[in-house]
Amino acid sequence: EIVLTQSPGTLSLSPGERATLSCRASQSVGSSYLAWYQQKPGQAPRLLIYGTSNRATDFPDRFSGSGSGTDFTLTISRLEPEDFAVYYCQQYGGSSWTFGQGTKVEIK
Amino acid sequence: EVQLVQSGAEVKKPGESLRISCKASGYNFISSWIGWVRQMPGKGLEWMGIIYPRDSDTRYSPSFQRQVTISADKSIDTAYLQWNSLQASDTAIYYCAKSGTYYGMDVWGQGTTVTVSS
Repeated sequence: EIVLTQSPGTLSLSPGERATLSCRASQSVGSSYLAWYQQKPGQAPRLLIYGTSNRATDFPDRFSGSGSGTDFTLTISRLEPEDFAVYYCQQYGGSSWTFGQGTKVEIK
Repeated sequence: EVQLVQSGAEVKKPGESLRISCKASGYNFISSWIGWVRQMPGKGLEWMGIIYPRDSDTRYSPSFQRQVTISADKSIDTAYLQWNSLQASDTAIYYCAKSGTYYGMDVWGQGTTVTVSS
């Protein structure tokens, strides 16, 4: 089973700042099979990025994903108040999918 | 509109059985995988498994393989997650999500809260 490790656990930033979230896999993940999700308190997760870099329709272009192999990154170019949330990466190749443990982006 | 509507909150005692449901609408149910995800109180997301309703092909996370059963009834566009004997550690929110190898989990249900307590 592929283990995903996200860092940092918590990111404290101010609105307007840039956020860089990391997701590292225990073995290579096909770039077509890496997703990011956003979850706000009391809500279900929402698909944010799929296939490493494809943005879901509901999200603006300040969100971007990149990476390959075992290292993947979610970047939020300029944080808006509604972006403060928990972000999870997920690999969905093969028969057993896994999530990272999450990165909380909080207001500094 | 693609939608997944889950059954309501449950409060059960240890040792009891339970089946929760996920009703799909707005897309061809049998042509997309449906997955289940656990979120324990204050914790992260855990992928439990997926089912392909067309042929009931089911894949489980090793962590959940013998703990739960995932099934689907394609006649009513509904997926299920079932326990034979609940434990207090099963207390969590359970989400279903439309799933696929192209986009991951793109549409989510609202979640079902399961509380197991004596």
